[in-house]
Amino acid sequence: AQKITQTQPGMFVQEKEAVTLDCTYDTSDPSYGLFWYKQPSSGEMIFLIYQGSYDQQNATEGRYSLNFQKARKSANLVISASQLGDSAMYFCAMSHPGGRRALTFGSGTRLQVQP
Amino acid sequence: DSGVTQTPKHLITATGQRVTLRCSPRSGDLSVYWYQQSLDQGLQFLIQYYNGEERAKGNILERFSAQQFPDLHSELNLSSLELGDSALYFCASSVGPAGGVNEQFFGPGTRLTVL
Repeated sequence: AQKITQTQPGMFVQEKEAVTLDCTYDTSDPSYGLFWYKQPSSGEMIFLIYQGSYDQQNATEGRYSLNFQKARKSANLVISASQLGDSAMYFCAMSHPGGRRALTFGSGTRLQVQP
Repeated sequence: DSGVTQTPKHLITATGQRVTLRCSPRSGDLSVYWYQQSLDQGLQFLIQYYNGEERAKGNILERFSAQQFPDLHSELNLSSLELGDSALYFCASSVGPAGGVNEQFFGPGTRLTVL
């Protein structure tokens, strides 16, 4: 069975500091993709970053980077230089190729950036 | 703006009623996914369509059904509504099954309130 675990229900970070949001996953398939989405209070789901299981390098997108540790089955999101607009819910998700492309989501982490 | 549109944005209805949620995927995307986000269940996959055909089913109730039309827009039909069906319903689209895992881009969601 596929499972995503996010153990931090809430996190605080000071503006301009870096923050790491934890995500661990469980799958027996060698081929999968890991995603992070941001959900602000307005409700929409915003795609942030993607990491494929065969990717050799950690994914980066601007201030977002994914710390992918395959042996530990972890895919932590690192946000550098936090901004007030980063305050939101963050969801880690997993997908597989073939007939199981639907996303399995974790329970989310609420990040609050303090001035 | 993800390029995925959903209507209506809000829907308030009574128990026992039937509603239809509509989704238009991003231009060029052939796959449409429906997800439900509720406080007690989190984000759950309901159903996926690819180019008009059902591809995968998740935790979709028998009272719920969906279809994807030739122009690729999709509709999610919810009938015999119960209080517990109140949730945020998301549509997401991706390029499709070709190749490996694809990013999914979410619409703004339809917030359903059943009174």
